[in-house]
Amino acid sequence: DAGVIQSPRHEVTEMGQEVTLRCKPISGHDYLFWYRQTMMRGLELLIYFNNNVPIDDSGMPEDRFSAKMPNASFSTLKIQPSEPRDSAVYFCASSFLEITGELFFGEGSRLTVL
Amino acid sequence: TQLLEQSPQFLSIQEGENLTVYCNSSSVFSSLQWYRQEPGEGPVLLVTVVTGGEVKKLKRLTFQFGDARKDSSLHITAAQPGDTGLYLCAGTLLNFGNEKLTFGTGTRLTIIP
Repeated sequence: DAGVIQSPRHEVTEMGQEVTLRCKPISGHDYLFWYRQTMMRGLELLIYFNNNVPIDDSGMPEDRFSAKMPNASFSTLKIQPSEPRDSAVYFCASSFLEITGELFFGEGSRLTVL
Repeated sequence: TQLLEQSPQFLSIQEGENLTVYCNSSSVFSSLQWYRQEPGEGPVLLVTVVTGGEVKKLKRLTFQFGDARKDSSLHITAAQPGDTGLYLCAGTLLNFGNEKLTFGTGTRLTIIP
């Protein structure tokens, strides 16, 4: 079975540009999470969805970040405008039924903002 | 403020040695998970512990949940190069109606052949 699929794997962009990260969760999973990982702050939860509905976005750093889940098989995380401090690895994860169950992570999208 | 502190932050040991890494908090968790993350990949679940005092074994890895459910340890016996990676603990706080996983700061383990 296919795992969580993220794209792009790597993105290098200039400050001020819009960045869109994409995620396809595992089919049948009810929860989808967006995390950001940096050396300084570790793995931080940005936002999570349950059945395509955003439940908790308290981890989203600021209004420049937005996330959508238009259907059960697709989610996007958008940064507009991007800043150098947004450079990180962004992970999408999904889980089945329970918010506190096993998380299945994608391979991540490494973002570098120059 | 980090809810889950892991120690040590970095650990580098020779193949064949034993090691223990720790995950500590002042909060009580209803459950705790351990993940391992290899370079260029996402974290992968190793184990979930739920009951205070619980011990689980996964081959050479032994996981223990503290009696008070505030801490956990991971012990590796006869470490192998394949054990190299970032070890993350993740806990669910006892906060009914708003449960979510909180990840620890991580221990970066390197096993030297």
